[in-house]
Amino acid sequence: GENVEQHPSTLSVQEGDSAVIKCTYSDSASNYFPWYKQELGKRPQLIIDIRSNVGEKKDQRIAVTLNKTAKHFSLHITETQPEDSAVYFCAALRGYGQNFVFGPGTRLSVLP
Amino acid sequence: DSGVTQTPKHLITATGQRVTLRCSPRSGDLSVYWYQQSLDQGLQFLIQYYNGEERAKGNILERFSAQQFPDLHSELNLSSLELGDSALYFCASSGGGSTYNEQFFGPGTRLTVL
Repeated sequence: GENVEQHPSTLSVQEGDSAVIKCTYSDSASNYFPWYKQELGKRPQLIIDIRSNVGEKKDQRIAVTLNKTAKHFSLHITETQPEDSAVYFCAALRGYGQNFVFGPGTRLSVLP
Repeated sequence: DSGVTQTPKHLITATGQRVTLRCSPRSGDLSVYWYQQSLDQGLQFLIQYYNGEERAKGNILERFSAQQFPDLHSELNLSSLELGDSALYFCASSGGGSTYNEQFFGPGTRLTVL
């Protein structure tokens, strides 16, 4: 089955710097890759997603890149702000009606 | 507020017991998903229902079962509870049957098994 690894497990950056979180997946049939943000004590929220027919997607300060050949995808946050501090989860989906597999999460701390 | 509601918020019970968690999806959403999040752990996808039928199955134990009713609310039943079942259980909903649709999470039910 699918296995998703996520690195780093913790990340501290200075406010205004960029943050990059990387995920790798094992199943080459996976074709949908969402990213979720979970603030302390709150529910996960989708922040961006990408499908396998697209190499990059951007939404303001957040971007996701996908390398299908290498089976990895990355979340890029530019001009980080303290409110970006949260746990970020990546996930991979193999297809319609299939199992969602999540990475273990990255705890991002943005230091003022 | 995502529009997804879950009850109860907290549940404390003993090993060997059985509990039922309830989820009401956003108005109009036909899909319901259940997730388990253990302390400081990631999200484990348990199961998805679409318009009353099971659509996808993840790492759901045999002691756990779920269903989606005609009014589209869903229940997750956990039986023969063990200490390791203590976790935050999230329900999410989305508009269609496709798992590619954005999922909106409820606030979660925190289960503590003593």
